[in-house]
Amino acid sequence: NAGVTQTPKFQVLKTGQSMTLQCAQDMNHNSMYWYRQDPGMGLRLIYYSASEGTTDKGEVPNGYNVSRLNKREFSLRLESAAPSQTSVYFCASSEQPGTGGGYTFGSGTRLTVV
Amino acid sequence: SQQGEEDPQALSIQEGENATMNCSYKTSINNLQWYRQNSGRGLVHLILIRSNEREKHSGRLRVTLDTSKKSSSLLITASRAADTASYFCATSPDTGGFKTIFGAGTRLFVKA
Repeated sequence: NAGVTQTPKFQVLKTGQSMTLQCAQDMNHNSMYWYRQDPGMGLRLIYYSASEGTTDKGEVPNGYNVSRLNKREFSLRLESAAPSQTSVYFCASSEQPGTGGGYTFGSGTRLTVV
Repeated sequence: SQQGEEDPQALSIQEGENATMNCSYKTSINNLQWYRQNSGRGLVHLILIRSNEREKHSGRLRVTLDTSKKSSSLLITASRAADTASYFCATSPDTGGFKTIFGAGTRLFVKA
């Protein structure tokens, strides 16, 4: 099925551990995004990639790094996990904002940092 | 603070009734989008309305946009139990760029 695929779906980390969340889309979209969702706060943008080869900070980038590996893949890395990073992480893609298609989201990664 | 603020935070209705959710925002926008999220799943795009549009329909969904009041509403007619989900509005700024901002959502519960 066409769409956005995220791995893993669940992860438990100890404080200080590192990990990479993977995201891939097969819709030939130019732009990709990483959001985190916390209860009662909606989605907050961590990083985005407007096009292959570019990345920019969003609203809450501290503690994260990203890599736009190619047009399909956009990964999110936590170098030293903290309990405050416990959240559900969503990757999304879009052709471009405002083109009428909106964002396509992955199913999310539920991350717990203990 | 979040650009989009949904109201109410939670809504419980009977199957067959209409459900109305509202969204207010603070700055000028290029477009406004509505998404649905079922429990434990990703968000699904429902409808996008541009700043020069006032109303848009898609099946049982009707979205209105009032740029003078910086507000939008989502109406779901003849609701079904399967409409139970959280609904989010998202705004894209008119300054361009890619920083679409999501509100905290309205939790809709449709009782069968």
